[in-house]
Amino acid sequence: GENVEQHPSTLSVQEGDSAVIKCTYSDSASNYFPWYKQELGKGPQLIIDIRSNVGEKKDQRIAVTLNKTAKHFSLHITETQPEDSAVYFCAASMKSGTSYGKLTFGQGTILTVHP
Amino acid sequence: EAGVAQSPRYKIIEKRQSVAFWCNPISGHATLYWYQQILGQGPKLLIQFQNNGVVDDSQLPKDRFSAERLKGVDSTLKIQPAKLEDSAVYLCASSWGEPSSYNEQFFGPGTRLTVL
Repeated sequence: GENVEQHPSTLSVQEGDSAVIKCTYSDSASNYFPWYKQELGKGPQLIIDIRSNVGEKKDQRIAVTLNKTAKHFSLHITETQPEDSAVYFCAASMKSGTSYGKLTFGQGTILTVHP
Repeated sequence: EAGVAQSPRYKIIEKRQSVAFWCNPISGHATLYWYQQILGQGPKLLIQFQNNGVVDDSQLPKDRFSAERLKGVDSTLKIQPAKLEDSAVYLCASSWGEPSSYNEQFFGPGTRLTVL
């Protein structure tokens, strides 16, 4: 089955700096890569996603890049703010063929933004 | 739009006891998911339903876990008997379309289970 590795496990930045979280996946058939933000005591919330036919996607201060050849995708947050502090998860899924679209999550990155 | 509702929010039981969790998905969402999130890890899918049918339960420990989604709306997840390693947050999620679609999964707040 699919395996997703996520790094780093913790990331500490100063307000205004950029933050980058990286993930690798094992199954070349995966074609959908969402990123979730989880705040304390809450369920994960989708913040951005990318499909395999796209190399990069941007939404205001967040962007995701995908390298299908290397089976690698990354989350970029610019101009970080204290409210960006949370746990971030990457995930991978196959949205085609006989797959039922199961999401496989990475281990998570605890992002702390210091004022 | 109301979100995914789960209850209880917290539950403490002793090993070998039974426990049940309840989930009410967003109205109109056909697909419902149960995830197990052990502390410090990402969510792991236990079971997913399309309406009231199971489409994937390959990671559900069927000797002790069971789940149902009667009438294709609410769902319950049961553990009987519980083991220490079942201590985790149990997340319910729902999405509008089929599991193979690109529709967003909306998560509930979860139920934190502690097994002593």
